[in-house]
Amino acid sequence: GAGVSQSPSNKVTEKGKDVELRCDPISGHTALYWYRQSLGQGLEFLIYFQGNSAPDKSGLPSDRFSAERTGGSVSTLTIQRTQQEDSAVYLCASSHWDSPEETDTQYFGPGTRLTVL
Amino acid sequence: AQSVTQLDSHVSVSEGTPVLLRCNYSSSYSPSLFWYVQHPNKGLQLLLKYTSAATLVKGINGFEAEFKKSETSFHLTKPSAHMSDAAEYFCVVSGGVTGGGADGLTFGKGTHLIIQP
Repeated sequence: GAGVSQSPSNKVTEKGKDVELRCDPISGHTALYWYRQSLGQGLEFLIYFQGNSAPDKSGLPSDRFSAERTGGSVSTLTIQRTQQEDSAVYLCASSHWDSPEETDTQYFGPGTRLTVL
Repeated sequence: AQSVTQLDSHVSVSEGTPVLLRCNYSSSYSPSLFWYVQHPNKGLQLLLKYTSAATLVKGINGFEAEFKKSETSFHLTKPSAHMSDAAEYFCVVSGGVTGGGADGLTFGKGTHLIIQP
């Protein structure tokens, strides 16, 4: 079946502009996660959605970052007033909480490479 | 609290020789442990997962890992390296208490595996 998809695959923007990154999880997966991968920081957790519950935003690096998940499926990560330090690969993952064997196995998308000039 | 230490940032082996990627973890709970692989410009792919059913876990592409509680280790091995194994490998620990949630997922810094012809 289809895996996690993300768009765009690459995004180049100018400092100060807003960007939106999209994630389409595996069908039927109720949990969705955003991570950031950069050379200096490795893989950092950003935000987590479980079904229709309020998201866990504890990993967002600043108030310029926000995310929403519509209808318990597709998610959008928005970065406002982008800065050069926001340049990174943004990864999305989903997992299937209804299966005890799969509750913490996350399946990752290919990522969006963001470059802020 | 939990943490993961990948003991080598780079490992270089010759094609056809064994691979050993070392990982030590720390967790207050009975953890789930994972190895993920990331090929250049690709997303993270699950190699294998330990969830206490068996201490020796077999994964895809001939990889396996052994959970050793006394040593708090989860080293990844493969008997014979192939050129296609060249990639970045991440050891990951999940809290296992809540059965999921990104706050229970901690990534190591990664080990870059180089395969010499």
